[in-house]
Amino acid sequence: GAGVSQSPSNKVTEKGKDVELRCDPISGHTALYWYRQSLGQGLEFLIYFQGNSAPDKSGLPSDRFSAERTGGSVSTLTIQRTQQEDSAVYLCASANPPLLPGAKNIQYFGAGTRLSVL
Amino acid sequence: AQSVSQHNHHVILSEAASLELGCNYSYGGTVNLFWYVQYPGQHLQLLLKYFSGDPLVKGIKGFEAEFIKSKFSFNLRKPSVQWSDTAEYFCAVNANFGNEKLTFGTGTRLTIIP
Repeated sequence: GAGVSQSPSNKVTEKGKDVELRCDPISGHTALYWYRQSLGQGLEFLIYFQGNSAPDKSGLPSDRFSAERTGGSVSTLTIQRTQQEDSAVYLCASANPPLLPGAKNIQYFGAGTRLSVL
Repeated sequence: AQSVSQHNHHVILSEAASLELGCNYSYGGTVNLFWYVQYPGQHLQLLLKYFSGDPLVKGIKGFEAEFIKSKFSFNLRKPSVQWSDTAEYFCAVNANFGNEKLTFGTGTRLTIIP
């Protein structure tokens, strides 16, 4: 597709259950980011993948959160034993890598997955 | 660590009014600066960006922003707003190297009254 695709668009789950959120980046984009948008917290960085490099996991709020990126394309964010405070919109973004040293990139966002933990 | 402050949480204006949304950042190095917009029910879209050069940057839909390095500010402006500008506006910053994570402000909700 033309843009970043995320699924599902909405997810309702019960506290304690595991959930998986999917992101399909723009074709050819090697950089992929996950962010979380919650009331009162704004947009927070979670994790970043770039090609085959080790991901930057510095934004993951707890060890219940994990993400993987298979084949350098699709990414899955997994939240284990969900808690009510995990309720938020989870956004995925992708970007082209800079072609030259010092060049910049622009992140393009998907529509997000709205997660509600009851 | 980087941080971004947007002091206006909710702004209400009449059509044709002028707009200025504040954005201040905190970071010791060189940064890239962005404004993203989220229209109701839609995804985040890039409005404009500053990487280097002319500190006055122009974006889509008549928006512009000015980078004032001495004030660590990147305020968003539009001389005459329209009802269709009703949206949430986010200022963001990342470090000036490589593919870096964005640090966002908490956003400003803009409501335009017809």
